[in-house]
Amino acid sequence: EVQLVESGGGLVQPGGSLRLSCAASGFAVGANYMKWVRQPPGKGLEWVSIIYSGGATYYADSVKGRFTISRDNSKNTLYLQMNSLRAEDTAVYFCTRSTNGAGRDRYWGQGTLVTVSS
Amino acid sequence: DIQMTQSPSSLSASVGDRVTITCQASHDIVSYLDWYQQKPGKAPKVLIYDASNLDTGVPSRFSGSGSGTDFTFTISSLQPEDIGTYYCQQYNNVPITFGQGTRLEIK
Repeated sequence: EVQLVESGGGLVQPGGSLRLSCAASGFAVGANYMKWVRQPPGKGLEWVSIIYSGGATYYADSVKGRFTISRDNSKNTLYLQMNSLRAEDTAVYFCTRSTNGAGRDRYWGQGTLVTVSS
Repeated sequence: DIQMTQSPSSLSASVGDRVTITCQASHDIVSYLDWYQQKPGKAPKVLIYDASNLDTGVPSRFSGSGSGTDFTFTISSLQPEDIGTYYCQQYNNVPITFGQGTRLEIK
């Protein structure tokens, strides 16, 4: 059974850092396109970052230079390192597995809440 | 960047009604478009992929059509369990972009 479990969210001060983890089971993270998608409280979905099976990475302009997506194939885990956090980064962060190139996100984690506030 | 303009932003319809949501892309995205349903407090669920393909296990009352820049999502006969928010997502180019969402309520 495919499962994605996020962790690492919490309360952080502006300018701080946080690393989110997404532990996968039932498939190989390294063989798939994996994304981070976030949702600010009461708002819509926003794509954050993607890592392709070949290793290429891309970011939304709003997080470029501050966030880094990575994976550890030995741990079958996806990561999102978030630095220089801002209040507008407050959101529930979901990891997803895309099953049709970069689309058809059939599998989502439960989400982890990141709150950036002093 | 490709902008996705989704409409309407909210919709109230009766059980059994036909419901239609549209997404317009600012540039040609071929058919690289998905439709998602999200219920409160839950992760989104993909209903339609590649603009018109019904995902596994999704009821046949859901359908999608379109290509290029204009896309339509339809529920042929609205059911009470269909309440939630619906999003389109294009993945023809990065940055990947979502529509603003359509909140669907039962009248």
